[in-house]
Amino acid sequence: EAGVAQSPRYKIIEKRQSVAFWCNPISGHATLYWYQQILGQGPKLLIQFQNNGVVDDSQLPKDRFSAERLKGVDSTLKIQPAKLEDSAVYLCASSLDGSTSGFTDTQYFGPGTRLTVL
Amino acid sequence: KQEVTQIPAALSVPEGENLVLNCSFTDSAIYNLQWFRQDPGKGLTSLLLIQSSQREQTSGRLNASLDKSSGRSTLYIAASQPGDSATYLCAAPNDYKLSFGAGTTVTVRA
Repeated sequence: EAGVAQSPRYKIIEKRQSVAFWCNPISGHATLYWYQQILGQGPKLLIQFQNNGVVDDSQLPKDRFSAERLKGVDSTLKIQPAKLEDSAVYLCASSLDGSTSGFTDTQYFGPGTRLTVL
Repeated sequence: KQEVTQIPAALSVPEGENLVLNCSFTDSAIYNLQWFRQDPGKGLTSLLLIQSSQREQTSGRLNASLDKSSGRSTLYIAASQPGDSATYLCAAPNDYKLSFGAGTTVTVRA
């Protein structure tokens, strides 16, 4: 079974530039998560999708971050414009059901995208 | 709001020694707790999920205990090996999200 795929693996940009990350979840997984992991911290949930609907985006900085999940499969996370404090690893995860918001469902994580904002 | 703390932040042990990793959480009204492993440059891998009705969960050399009343969970790794070197994170539910600790980075010396 193929795992969660993410691209790119690394990205370096200047502040105020835009960047986009892509995630392809495990086939058949209804729930998709984007996390931000700052160095030395645990992952923080940015947004959770159930199929192509948003379940939780309470911690997403909506003035600069946006995300979409096309046809309930792939997802993209965009930052526009980027700030220095956005430097982090962005992790995508998926789970089979997540009908109870995923924390009773095993989440499978991709390798992440390491973003450096200069 | 659920706060999850892991102390120490780093740990180094010789091969063969048993590992004890600690996790504390502030809201004891949880119905499960999870332990994850993170290798450098990789995502997280789920190790164990303990339901609140359980006191412990085992998988191979790994054993995790949960004490809701004291707000603590402990991950035991028996007879550590260099391949166990990684960062171990615990996570507890928080308003339908997972709150993660910052992790304990383990180095097992050959």
